[in-house]
Amino acid sequence: GQNIDQPTEMTATEGAIVQINCTYQTSGFNGLFWYQQHAGEAPTFLSYNVLDGLEEKGRFSSFLSRSKGYSYLLLKELQMKDSASYLCAITGGFKTIFGAGTRLFVKA
Amino acid sequence: DTGVSQNPRHKITKRGQNVTFRCDPISEHNRLYWYRQTLGQGPEFLTYFQNEAQLEKSRLLSDRFSAERPKGSFSTLEIQRTEQGDSAMYLCASSPEDRAKFGNTIYFGEGSWLTVV
Repeated sequence: GQNIDQPTEMTATEGAIVQINCTYQTSGFNGLFWYQQHAGEAPTFLSYNVLDGLEEKGRFSSFLSRSKGYSYLLLKELQMKDSASYLCAITGGFKTIFGAGTRLFVKA
Repeated sequence: DTGVSQNPRHKITKRGQNVTFRCDPISEHNRLYWYRQTLGQGPEFLTYFQNEAQLEKSRLLSDRFSAERPKGSFSTLEIQRTEQGDSAMYLCASSPEDRAKFGNTIYFGEGSWLTVV
């Protein structure tokens, strides 16, 4: 089976840095995704990690350790518009399974 | 590239009625997925098509649910005899064939909100 754990909620201040952690257990693993989802909208793709290490894309970075079943999403220079849910998802074969998401609140 | 398109965007129906949602994937994507999402949860996998073939169905997909992709392009998801527990957002997503390049990244439509009263 597959299981994904991430914190339910986090709060951070505008301009700060926040790290959202994700741990997973799975029998088959091809890669790990992070998606952003604003309230009432569909998820949008942020990042994809298939190898261990850090992938950087602008203000967003994602890290993966396959041996530890662990990933994190790092958001720098937080902006109010970053308030959203962040979904960790793992893919094994063709199927992508999502965690429940972490709701991030950015305060002024 | 017009993205994944879903309609209707919102549907309110009475318990016991049938509803059908349509999804038009990104044109060059041969893989199509249906997910269901309720408040505070991540998307739950329902079913997957590669071209016109339905390759997997989740246990969540009871016999009241049926999905088709007759010509390998658009897809429909029908829910028969709706129940209040079916109220959710139904998300369609598609992905391209080239996993090596795209890592099986899936791209979501805007979703179809279902409210069963």
